[in-house]
Amino acid sequence: AQRVTQPEKLLSVFKGAPVELKCNYSYSGSPELFWYVQYSRQRLQLLLRHISRESIKGFTADLNKGETSFHLKKPFAQEEDSAMYYCALQGGSYIPTFGRGTSLIVHP
Amino acid sequence: GAVVSQHPSWVICKSGTSVKIECRSLDFQATTMFWYRQFPKQSLMLMATSNEGSKATYEQGVEKDKFLINHASLTLSTLTVTSAHPEDSSFYICSASGVGETQYFGPGTRLLVL
Repeated sequence: AQRVTQPEKLLSVFKGAPVELKCNYSYSGSPELFWYVQYSRQRLQLLLRHISRESIKGFTADLNKGETSFHLKKPFAQEEDSAMYYCALQGGSYIPTFGRGTSLIVHP
Repeated sequence: GAVVSQHPSWVICKSGTSVKIECRSLDFQATTMFWYRQFPKQSLMLMATSNEGSKATYEQGVEKDKFLINHASLTLSTLTVTSAHPEDSSFYICSASGVGETQYFGPGTRLLVL
């Protein structure tokens, strides 16, 4: 069975502070991992995926197979980063599993 | 980028009626479409996965006779909530993807059953 855990329901930081949204997963094979973001009143959209190894909007995420983690990081948070962030896993069957989401609030 | 639309964006219906929600991929062919349900301030719950031309695969606990899914073409999937009841009120979201590719999400449909 595949499972995604986002331990923090809410993360509140000040502008300019570093941000780390945690994601741990459970999957027996080689997973594909994603971070999706949902800004207020907008649809869910892909932020980044681990195979791309990109930095999107200053965010990065590294897959750590030893710790089964895929934490999302940004060195300096901006107010416009305030949103719901979902970590998701797709296994070999491409059936997705989402974490419960973390609400990030960046205060001015 | 790829765009997925949903129609209607919101619907209010009486208890006992059926409601159909459409999900369309506008500029790409979607091999697979997913249907989710999202409760307030909660995560997305996958309801079913549909592949074009075949029967949908439902997640455990989701009644297939209650939530009818049809994926008749590579650009259209429909979810019909049959004999809707107030407990079916929710936010329904679809997503579409090619084989093994990124999911693109629709804007969601808010259903309120009175």
